[in-house]
Amino acid sequence: EPEVTQTPSHQVTQMGQEVILRCVPISNHLYFYWYRQILGQKVEFLVSFYNNEISEKSEIFDDQFSVERPDGSNFTLKIRSTKLEDSAMYFCASSIGTTFQETQYFGPGTRLLVL
Amino acid sequence: QQQVKQSPQSLIVQKGGISIINCAYENTAFDYFPWYQQFPGKGPALLIAIRPDVSEKKEGRFTISFNKSAKQFSLHIMDSQPGDSATYFCAASKWGTYKYIFGTGTRLKVLA
Repeated sequence: EPEVTQTPSHQVTQMGQEVILRCVPISNHLYFYWYRQILGQKVEFLVSFYNNEISEKSEIFDDQFSVERPDGSNFTLKIRSTKLEDSAMYFCASSIGTTFQETQYFGPGTRLLVL
Repeated sequence: QQQVKQSPQSLIVQKGGISIINCAYENTAFDYFPWYQQFPGKGPALLIAIRPDVSEKKEGRFTISFNKSAKQFSLHIMDSQPGDSATYFCAASKWGTYKYIFGTGTRLKVLA
């Protein structure tokens, strides 16, 4: 069964450093998402991406964040200057994209720790 | 308005028992309510979903009950099994957006 994959599974970085989290969505999916989950808290929407542009973003997704689809398979989340509060599990998800409210398929996540 | 409140935070059930997880929302524009199941080390996976035009949806041992007037919905797991031990998230979204608003999650443990 096709699945969303994410790399790395864990990342430790120093405050102020840039990190890039990578995702490979399911191959025929057109909509891509990033969510994050701070330890012990709820899963929060960050951004959705379609046709090489952001379609929706949350108030969390400020100027330090950016997303990109650098090639036909990868979808990346860049955090430019990491802060301690960016420590969280980051989930990538994808959906077919033909309509709203269809199933979003989540990857296993990248656990980011900012020291 | 954008929140989805989920309870309980954790739940312990005996094998064969019924697990019940509740969620409540404020925004009446929400019209799609999925439940996700997450095992350790894995991403959330869709379990079952409901729209407000029905009051109940059943898939195997999993049932969503929906009360539109109370703005509440719940997941019932019948005949709970140790393999159901996972974290369960309710979520909500509205037509016109791809964004899900998640609840805080319920960690379910089913004792053998």
